[in-house]
Amino acid sequence: EVQLVESGGGLVQPGGSLRLSCAASGFTFSSYWMSWVRQAPGKGLEWVANIKQDGSEKYYVDSVKGRFTISRDNAKNSLYLQMNSLRAEDTAVYYCAREVSDHWGQGTMVTVSS
Amino acid sequence: DVVMTQSPLSLPVTLGQPASISCRSSQSLVYSDGNTYLNWFQQRPGQSPRRLIYKVSNRDSGVPDRFSGSGSGTDFTLKISRVEAEDVGVYYCMQGTHWPPFTFGPGTKVDIK
Repeated sequence: EVQLVESGGGLVQPGGSLRLSCAASGFTFSSYWMSWVRQAPGKGLEWVANIKQDGSEKYYVDSVKGRFTISRDNAKNSLYLQMNSLRAEDTAVYYCAREVSDHWGQGTMVTVSS
Repeated sequence: DVVMTQSPLSLPVTLGQPASISCRSSQSLVYSDGNTYLNWFQQRPGQSPRRLIYKVSNRDSGVPDRFSGSGSGTDFTLKISRVEAEDVGVYYCMQGTHWPPFTFGPGTKVDIK
């Protein structure tokens, strides 16, 4: 069974940093593109970033470019999102997703507030 | 970026009756490989999104056959043949043809009359 378990969310002040993790199991992690998708409270879904199987290609939504970094460790079956210079508008539930769609984790909440 | 629109944004339905959601894209979603990368997701209250349909009309494993997807080019439809109580939630379309970025529709909230 495919499982994606996010962690690392929490409350952070504007301008601060946070690192999210996603532990994958039940499939060959190194064979899939992986994504982060977020959902602000009461709002819709927004794709944030994705990364190729070997980490050689990474793409970001414009609003996070230069602030967020996606990475992966195939030996640990893990996906990461390093979030720097956080803003109030980054407040959301962050989901880890396989291939941007076919399996999602339960999400981890990030709140940016003073 | 490809803009995805959905209608209606709110859909009150009667149990056992059909329901239909429209999704439109700002440009054709036909990719150079001939496929159309249009997905539908269901998000039940308090849950993560779950993909129902991929590439316009293919149901994911475990998705009841009362859900069906159709369409082409820029116009797509998700139909529920007979709405059940467990179908309450928000439904999103998403395009995966012209990325980055992948883009979602605003969502259609389905609830019971």
